[in-house]
Amino acid sequence: GQQLNQSPQSMFIQEGEDVSMNCTSSSIFNTWLWYKQDPGEGPVLLIALYKAGELTSNGRLTAQFGITRKDSFLNISASIPSDVGIYFCAGRASSGSARQLTFGSGTQLTVLP
Amino acid sequence: DSGVTQTPKHLITATGQRVTLRCSPRSGDLSVYWYQQSLDQGLQFLIQYYNGEERAKGNILERFSAQQFPDLHSELNLSSLELGDSALYFCASSITPGTGGSGNTIYFGEGSWLTVV
Repeated sequence: GQQLNQSPQSMFIQEGEDVSMNCTSSSIFNTWLWYKQDPGEGPVLLIALYKAGELTSNGRLTAQFGITRKDSFLNISASIPSDVGIYFCAGRASSGSARQLTFGSGTQLTVLP
Repeated sequence: DSGVTQTPKHLITATGQRVTLRCSPRSGDLSVYWYQQSLDQGLQFLIQYYNGEERAKGNILERFSAQQFPDLHSELNLSSLELGDSALYFCASSITPGTGGSGNTIYFGEGSWLTVV
């Protein structure tokens, strides 16, 4: 099956700092999605990417679909306390019979005041 | 608010019992997905329906079953419950069944917390 590695597993940063996390896959993907999940809530879609090289922003968040189609990163600029949560990447392979989203294991972000 | 509605939000039941979780997809979405999230397993895909038909199966146990009705809402049935079935169960929906493009993007409900005691 598809392997999706997300790193780092956790991050502790100071308020105001920039954050970067990434995901790499063993397969070529045609879709990369980034979600944020607060405790006890459902994952909320942050950014969706559909083309290699695509760079998309959503406020202070920026994500890119890697040129190799096997990776993606998410950057958060000038972090604030409400950025705390778990960030998941998810991708869908471009071929294969089971084109289900594969989720990364998540990055737990803690923002210190 | 993603537009995906799940009920109940919380459920506590005993081992051996059977429960049904309900999901209403976003308006216009034809595909429904069920995921299980436990502390040590992350988000695990269970099953997908598209326009009433089963589309794909993931790590769904034989004790679990699901269906999608003509009005596109879906139910996940969990039977002979075990302690290890305690988890958050998410429903998600998308326009298309996963064939590519923006219609692929799935939106999650807020989840149903199942506690088996």
